[in-house]
Amino acid sequence: AQSVTQLDSQVPVFEEAPVELRCNYSSSVSVYLFWYVQYPNQGLQLLLKYLSGSTLVKGINGFEAEFNKSQTSFHLRKPSVHISDTAEYFCAVIPYSGGYQKVTFGTGTKLQVIP
Amino acid sequence: KAGVTQTPRYLIKTRGQQVTLSCSPISGHRSVSWYQQTPGQGLQFLFEYFSETQRNKGNFPGRFSGRQFSNSRSEMNVSTLELGDSALYLCASSPWTSGPGEQFFGPGTRLTVL
Repeated sequence: AQSVTQLDSQVPVFEEAPVELRCNYSSSVSVYLFWYVQYPNQGLQLLLKYLSGSTLVKGINGFEAEFNKSQTSFHLRKPSVHISDTAEYFCAVIPYSGGYQKVTFGTGTKLQVIP
Repeated sequence: KAGVTQTPRYLIKTRGQQVTLSCSPISGHRSVSWYQQTPGQGLQFLFEYFSETQRNKGNFPGRFSGRQFSNSRSEMNVSTLELGDSALYLCASSPWTSGPGEQFFGPGTRLTVL
């Protein structure tokens, strides 16, 4: 079984400032890693994913994340946030051998961008 | 391509009733998954259908069921509703070509049980 920890439930940040949303996971097997964003009254949208290869992954809307196997982390970063980035962000993992039934989502981090 | 659509967007039911939710995946996607999202439990996997067959199931009681049609559209049914079933139900589709990749989520159906 695996687990995902998003330590920060809420992160306030001023517009145009950088932000990092933290995600740590625990798993006895190798996993795929994902970051999703959920805007109010909407479903989830994939920001980026790590399946294999380069540990620095670039996604949509200027976001990027770095996979750190030794620290079992997959933190999400953006160098300069906009008001439109206000949303809830979810980290998720799926084990290599599993399908969607084995997906584990974190509890989410609400990013509040302050004008 | 049109995105994943879910109908209805909002539902209000009373305890003991049953409800059917509908999901139309992106054209060409054969995998459809359902998730329940609540403030207390977060996002939880319900089940996945692939080519009209339930391929995987989460840890939910038998009151939760689903099916997939030949055109990949999927329905989810909840019988004998309980207050705790109030949640946002999300449907996601995927082409599933060679393993879990990107899932495309619909806007969800918000179910309120009174």
